[in-house]
Amino acid sequence: AQKITQTQPGMFVQEKEAVTLDCTYDTSDQSYGLFWYKQPSSGEMIFLIYQGSYDEQNATEGRYSLNFQKARKSANLVISASQLGDSAMYFCAMSFRRGDKIIFGKGTRLHILP
Amino acid sequence: EAGVAQSPRYKIIEKRQSVAFWCNPISGHATLYWYQQILGQGPKLLIQFQNNGVVDDSQLPKDRFSAERLKGVDSTLKIQPAKLEDSAVYLCASSWGQGSNEQFFGPGTRLTVL
Repeated sequence: AQKITQTQPGMFVQEKEAVTLDCTYDTSDQSYGLFWYKQPSSGEMIFLIYQGSYDEQNATEGRYSLNFQKARKSANLVISASQLGDSAMYFCAMSFRRGDKIIFGKGTRLHILP
Repeated sequence: EAGVAQSPRYKIIEKRQSVAFWCNPISGHATLYWYQQILGQGPKLLIQFQNNGVVDDSQLPKDRFSAERLKGVDSTLKIQPAKLEDSAVYLCASSWGQGSNEQFFGPGTRLTVL
């Protein structure tokens, strides 16, 4: 069965420090995609970054990078130089290209301290 | 480019009443998704449409929930009758189609069942 696990319910980080949010996944599919979404208190889901299972390079988008370790089934999100506006819930998610179904983890609440 | 539109933003009803939510996806997006997000959890897919056909409704409680996308554009999700445990945020998302990397989310409808 496909599953996403985020083991950190909450994190507190000092502003300007780097942050790593953990995500592990379980699937027997060979082709899949991994996502990270940000959900501020206003409720909208904001797409941050995507990694395909066959992509050899780790995905990067500005201050966001995805540390993809396929053998360990790990897809951690790294936020460099954190900002106060990064305070939000962060969800790791997985999709299956043949059906495009997407499943989400339970999320990690990130608090950036001034 | 206009984003995914949802209405209403908030709804409060009593148990056993009926409620309907509306979603208008981004123009040209073939795939539309309805997710349920219970407080403290990640979103869970209820139903996925490809144009006006259902791709996946395996987690839709069909005894009380129904959804349609008659013309392959906007969609409605209905709950009849509502239960207390239906209190959640209902998120609509859309994408270009199967295999698309990114889903764009609307602001959500927050339902409270009393």
